[in-house]
Amino acid sequence: KAGVTQTPRYLIKTRGQQVTLSCSPISGHRSVSWYQQTPGQGLQFLFEYFSETQRNKGNFPGRFSGRQFSNSRSEMNVSTLELGDSALYLCASSSQHGRVYEQYFGPGTRLTVT
Amino acid sequence: GQQLNQSPQSMFIQEGEDVSMNCTSSSIFNTWLWYKQDPGEGPVLLIALYKAGELTSNGRLTAQFGITRKDSFLNISASIPSDVGIYFCAGWNYGGSQGNLIFGKGTKLSVKP
Repeated sequence: KAGVTQTPRYLIKTRGQQVTLSCSPISGHRSVSWYQQTPGQGLQFLFEYFSETQRNKGNFPGRFSGRQFSNSRSEMNVSTLELGDSALYLCASSSQHGRVYEQYFGPGTRLTVT
Repeated sequence: GQQLNQSPQSMFIQEGEDVSMNCTSSSIFNTWLWYKQDPGEGPVLLIALYKAGELTSNGRLTAQFGITRKDSFLNISASIPSDVGIYFCAGWNYGGSQGNLIFGKGTKLSVKP
């Protein structure tokens, strides 16, 4: 079974630009969640999508948005990039059957904003 | 805002020793998760806890959901070199219409052979 894939793996953008990151979940997983990881703030939850609907949301400004497609693939968009948006962006796909919860992370997209 | 205080920040132990780490908060959480992250890789989910007082094991790992729902503990027994990494706790809070997942800052574990 293929793992979670994220594209691109590395990205360099300029302040003020926007960026779109992509995540393909494990086959059969309908939930995709996004996270930001920085040395200063650590791991932070952005949002979670399930069946094309945003189900849960962290405390990030509206510049951070996402969507999920009918095949469960998800995209995350950051508009008007700031230097502080430089981070590793991780996505994870998950499924829950009763009390059995499985979640797998992708390798991440390293975004550098200059 | 909600915060999780994870301690210790780092540990340097001898192979074979047991390890304990914990997360505490002033907020109540509905679910606790524990992760391990190796350098250059995404986190790996170790244990999920759903009910206050619940004690769950995964091999040499044991985690507990605190009775007050404000804390959780992770124990690793008989540590081995491959236990090296950063361990994160995370708690789901469903206070509003949507839930938020809060992470601790991590415990960096180093094991001396």
